[in-house]
Amino acid sequence: DAKTTQPPSMDCAEGRAANLPCNHSTISGNEYVYWYRQIHSQGPQYIIHGLKNNETNEMASLIITEDRKSSTLILPHATLRDTAVYYCIVRVTQGAQKLVFGQGTRLTINP
Amino acid sequence: DGGITQSPKYLFRKEGQNVTLSCEQNLNHDAMYWYRQDPGQGLRLIYYSQIVNDFQKGDIAEGYSVSREKKESFPLTVTSAQKNPTAFYLCASKHKGVTGELFFGEGSRLTVL
Repeated sequence: DAKTTQPPSMDCAEGRAANLPCNHSTISGNEYVYWYRQIHSQGPQYIIHGLKNNETNEMASLIITEDRKSSTLILPHATLRDTAVYYCIVRVTQGAQKLVFGQGTRLTINP
Repeated sequence: DGGITQSPKYLFRKEGQNVTLSCEQNLNHDAMYWYRQDPGQGLRLIYYSQIVNDFQKGDIAEGYSVSREKKESFPLTVTSAQKNPTAFYLCASKHKGVTGELFFGEGSRLTVL
């Protein structure tokens, strides 16, 4: 099962791009990378996902390395509302849909 | 509006009592999940279910039980066998299939007195 490794915490200035890294060196070829975020005491919110191509939506961009062993979530213009815990996960088991979250990265946006 | 609803939002119980947390979704999702979150920690998987009348244990199933009698409902019972039940409990659902985002409820905070 692929596991993910994220830094426990990061800081970013308001208005700058926040780049959150994730390592998933044992990811399998058919496993997707997903990103979620959790604002304090709420349920996590889906942000973006990808397989091997870079992806962009209205919330963020996802850059996946060519070897797929790591990825970076980019929040292009961070605001104070982006302060949250960000989780990078991979779909763990073919067919069984067991989805496991790690510790995540606590991102603090500073004014 | 479609969504996933957890109740109650806050719950207090005495030691030795069983308590059931409700999770209902009207998104027509096949798969449903229960996670536990302790302060400052990530989410840990308790149980999950892909179809009605079927469910699998997650990483920390001991002291918990679930049922899946209807597609839209996946209640979690925290039994007296759970040694440290005070936590934030999150329910989620998604469509069956490889991709598909997880939709989470707002959570239930259980405190054992």
